Amino acid sequence: EAQVTQNPRYLITVTGKKLTVTCSQNMNHEYMSWYRQDPGLGLRQIYYSMNVEVTDKGDVPEGYKVSRKEKRNFPLILESPSPNQTSLYFCASSLSTSGSYEQYFGPGTRLTVT
Amino acid sequence: SQQGEEDPQALSIQEGENATMNCSYKTSINNLQWYRQNSGRGLVHLILIRSNEREKHSGRLRVTLDTSKKSSSLLITASRAADTASYFCATVLGFNTGGFKTIFGAGTRLFVKA
Repeated sequence: EAQVTQNPRYLITVTGKKLTVTCSQNMNHEYMSWYRQDPGLGLRQIYYSMNVEVTDKGDVPEGYKVSRKEKRNFPLILESPSPNQTSLYFCASSLSTSGSYEQYFGPGTRLTVT
Repeated sequence: SQQGEEDPQALSIQEGENATMNCSYKTSINNLQWYRQNSGRGLVHLILIRSNEREKHSGRLRVTLDTSKKSSSLLITASRAADTASYFCATVLGFNTGGFKTIFGAGTRLFVKA
């Protein structure tokens, strides 16, 4: 089944404790992206990647890191989480880097930072 | 106001009625997409309309795009209780150097009463 998977689905952590949210897609998609969703703000893009070893900042990259060492994986790293990073996070992928195709979304990771 | 702003923010209708949601944006786009999200879950792609298209249909969905007014509408006909969800428009902007940016609106919450 074609899908984007994220782990963990739920995470409660404390300020400053490094964490990684994994994302994997099995569709051989070129493009992958991370978004955060906050009430009343829709989805905002954190980082995106157009290919292996090619990543770029979205609209809200501060406090986040990503890597794309393999085509299928695009982990999101929070080196020192803070309470303002409490949010619902989505990973997405798309067939091409042209923007002409839809994005497929993972099920989301609900992160709480206390 | 932000790119990809939906109107109304919330909509409550009876089963069988039609639901119309509108989206306005500010800049030139490659295409515009509509997504659906059930509470707290990942977004699911509904329909994509390219900038040179004016209308598109998919099942009970009808999307229009007016690039002169920078607006789009999503019509769901003969709504069902299962259509209850949040609906987001996403505008896709391409870069001359390659790649693209997707901007999501804050969404319209649709509630269909049985």
